[in-house]
Amino acid sequence: SAVISQKPSRDICQRGTSLTIQCQVDSQVTMMFWYRQQPGQSLTLIATANQGSEATYESGFVIDKFPISRPNLTFSTLTVSNMSPEDSSIYLCSVGQGSETQYFGPGTRLLVL
Amino acid sequence: KQEVTQIPAALSVPEGENLVLNCSFTDSAIYNLQWFRQDPGKGLTSLLLIQSSQREQTSGRLNASLDKSSGRSTLYIAASQPGDSATYLCAVNADRGSTLGRLYFGRGTQLTVWP
Repeated sequence: SAVISQKPSRDICQRGTSLTIQCQVDSQVTMMFWYRQQPGQSLTLIATANQGSEATYESGFVIDKFPISRPNLTFSTLTVSNMSPEDSSIYLCSVGQGSETQYFGPGTRLLVL
Repeated sequence: KQEVTQIPAALSVPEGENLVLNCSFTDSAIYNLQWFRQDPGKGLTSLLLIQSSQREQTSGRLNASLDKSSGRSTLYIAASQPGDSATYLCAVNADRGSTLGRLYFGRGTQLTVWP
């Protein structure tokens, strides 16, 4: 299994600002995933982050809005840039080795005013 | 594109009942299917993982089945308890051309078990 922590756990931000979310895993993993869960909705994949390469973004998500770093095999960051109220969501990172169980962090609850 | 549907969207039952939550997916080319539990304000907790070659998995009072060819899975909860109250999410792992490990989620079933 994997233990994942995220920082911050929650934040309230002003429109137009940016927030960087950190994801730390207790073991080395090849792939990390970033998901968004908007209020009342299910989870939607934002991007896949591999160490040593550029993140791969899903349709509807762009690097300028959601830049991702993956400096090593245990850590990743997601930045939500130039925020608007529509970015208010829970942001979760997850890890999983191929076809094995996927593990999720506790999430970052973001409210944009 | 893979689409996952969960029925019902919400369920409210008295304690002790046996429950069935349903999940369907449009593309049978999956590696596995995973059931999660999400408590209010919390992250996701993995409940059961069924590989595409398996028919079912059991953990305590939970039993999950998978019929890959028909694109269906069910989560059976026996003798429900108030502590089972949560949102239950179904997710399938990858499909044709997708990254292995990338999950497609349903919208969940919000379960309330009252004493």
